[in-house]
Amino acid sequence: ETGVTQTPRHLVMGMTNKKSLKCEQHLGHNAMYWYKQSAKKPLELMFVYNFKEQTENNSVPSRFSPECPNSSHLFLHLHTLQPEDSALYLCASSQDGRSSYEQYFGPGTRLTVT
Amino acid sequence: AQSVTQLDSQVPVFEEAPVELRCNYSSSVSVYLFWYVQYPNQGLQLLLKYLSGSTLVESINGFEAEFNKSQTSFHLRKPSVHISDTAEYFCAVSDRDFGNEKLTFGTGTRLTIIP
Repeated sequence: ETGVTQTPRHLVMGMTNKKSLKCEQHLGHNAMYWYKQSAKKPLELMFVYNFKEQTENNSVPSRFSPECPNSSHLFLHLHTLQPEDSALYLCASSQDGRSSYEQYFGPGTRLTVT
Repeated sequence: AQSVTQLDSQVPVFEEAPVELRCNYSSSVSVYLFWYVQYPNQGLQLLLKYLSGSTLVESINGFEAEFNKSQTSFHLRKPSVHISDTAEYFCAVSDRDFGNEKLTFGTGTRLTIIP
């Protein structure tokens, strides 16, 4: 049990659909992250929120839209995705945005875009 | 910009044999170094990290890694592996400079333990 939960665990969506991924952390952390994990590629940082403020947008296409209503919840809104967006999307949290603090990861959402 | 190289994408090892997973990094500034492990169908978990002080760091389950600044390496070792060590291992680096501390990950090494 990592203290970071993600729903849904699996999602299949068409290119014209709109869906959202949800992440919740029960650790009292102040920083939250979205990563994309694709086969044979390094983990890609997408977004960082520190104390509910977005501090990093790693050149992510606008079809991915993050939302952080409070320090415990993080959403990733998806619309008009492409097949190459199929991947495992991981959420993580840490005490704050400093990298010396351990990041705690959720189990991920396996996204398939058809 | 930083980068991390994990040259071995897959490493098969017999149970109770030693293992070394290699990690090299490039960075123009001082760094923090990490090893994360991902068990099947789970997210990543921190295995060990180097922030400062002793260059040899250890985890609670018998892994160790040594920071070698001259060779820009942070190889992970275990003297005797167990079936439960089967997982994917990711090396990561971040700058020490405040305000630029995002993690950069390698492509991972899949460790398979052969009974």
